[in-house]
Amino acid sequence: NAGVMQNPRHLVRRRGQEARLRCSPMKGHSHVYWYRQLPEEGLKFMVYLQKENIIDESGMPKERFSAEFPKEGPSILRIQQVVRGDSAAYFCASSPGTALLGYTFGSGTRLTVV
Amino acid sequence: GQQLNQSPQSMFIQEGEDVSMNCTSSSIFNTWLWYKQDPGEGPVLLIALYKAGELTSNGRLTAQFGITRKDSFLNISASIPSDVGIYFCAGQLTDGGSQGNLIFGKGTKLSVKP
Repeated sequence: NAGVMQNPRHLVRRRGQEARLRCSPMKGHSHVYWYRQLPEEGLKFMVYLQKENIIDESGMPKERFSAEFPKEGPSILRIQQVVRGDSAAYFCASSPGTALLGYTFGSGTRLTVV
Repeated sequence: GQQLNQSPQSMFIQEGEDVSMNCTSSSIFNTWLWYKQDPGEGPVLLIALYKAGELTSNGRLTAQFGITRKDSFLNISASIPSDVGIYFCAGQLTDGGSQGNLIFGKGTKLSVKP
């Protein structure tokens, strides 16, 4: 019974490149959440998606960042034209519905922009 | 934006000691969660609290949801070496926001006394 799978675990990008982070939720989970964690900080909410819908993107930067959760396949967090300040750990969580008890995090993707 | 003030920022433990940490906020939360994060991994849920005044245990862990709904504490009794890590409180606000939008504290780092 696999948990939330995120890949890649580590991603290095040069400034100006695109970063694509993937998240496969737990089996049976249709809700996906993305968080960003800077060193020595807590997690900051970015976006909440259900299949094919963005429910809440109040934490997403207005430019360069986008997220999707298509009908088939993983959820993707996309960062265009990356800058050094985008370096962080990005975590995905999933849940089967509205119950927070089922809110499970993946192991994260560490993005380093050089 | 909303903030959770988590303290202490760090602490050293000796095996067998009891440990206590807490979170406070100026905002009212309708859910409090406590997570543990090991290096290179995502947060793992320890305890979830849903009602003001609620006291919940999970093995050696005990957490309470403050009566004012603005604070919570986590106690670890008889600590063992594998308790080291970073502990985060997280809360869901009462006034709007989707159920996915958790606010995280900055964490309490537990280390072993040299």
